[in-house]
Amino acid sequence: DSGVTQTPKHLITATGQRVTLRCSPRSGDLSVYWYQQSLDQGLQFLIQYYNGEERAKGNILERFSAQQFPDLHSELNLSSLELGDSALYFCASSVGIGPTEAFFGQGTRLTVV
Amino acid sequence: DAKTTQPNSMESNEEEPVHLPCNHSTISGTDYIHWYRQLPSQGPEYVIHGLTSNVNNRMASLAIAEDRKSSTLILHRATLRDAAVYYCILSFSGGYNKLIFGAGTRLAVHP
Repeated sequence: DSGVTQTPKHLITATGQRVTLRCSPRSGDLSVYWYQQSLDQGLQFLIQYYNGEERAKGNILERFSAQQFPDLHSELNLSSLELGDSALYFCASSVGIGPTEAFFGQGTRLTVV
Repeated sequence: DAKTTQPNSMESNEEEPVHLPCNHSTISGTDYIHWYRQLPSQGPEYVIHGLTSNVNNRMASLAIAEDRKSSTLILHRATLRDAAVYYCILSFSGGYNKLIFGAGTRLAVHP
């Protein structure tokens, strides 16, 4: 158990819908990262927050947005969903902003039908 | 972001050492070298990281070439549980630990 909690574990929704994925980082961790893993794209970095502020952005679509709340949990919002958004979404956390160990959750498997 | 090159796959026998290579010829002086692994149906798991000196922890050793253009992850005695995809990643020391995963090396461990 990494200490990072992601909910829900599985999500099935229809095209065009909007979903919210939630991540609770390890106690004391200030950085949160989101990744998307699909079969053909591998692990793609989406976005990173540190203590509530966005710090790095990767290949995140405009239909996707995220935020980190004052209690440090984070949410990833996916809207106007397409079949190609079906993937595993991982959240990770780390204690600070320097090079350090990042802890990954078990992921949310999103299926868009 | 500096890139890494790893073999697509490697095989090992149980209880033998495994050396997983990684080339990073465009590494800059402030890039850290990280290794993560992903077991089937799980999230990635931290293995080890370093900057210039070789590093050891309970899971593995990281050997970094003197010119830092390559590194090797060493699993001292492979177990069946070590079968996973291993990722070698570079992160800029001032870049908020942004980890960009490549394709990794799929390690198979035979009994």
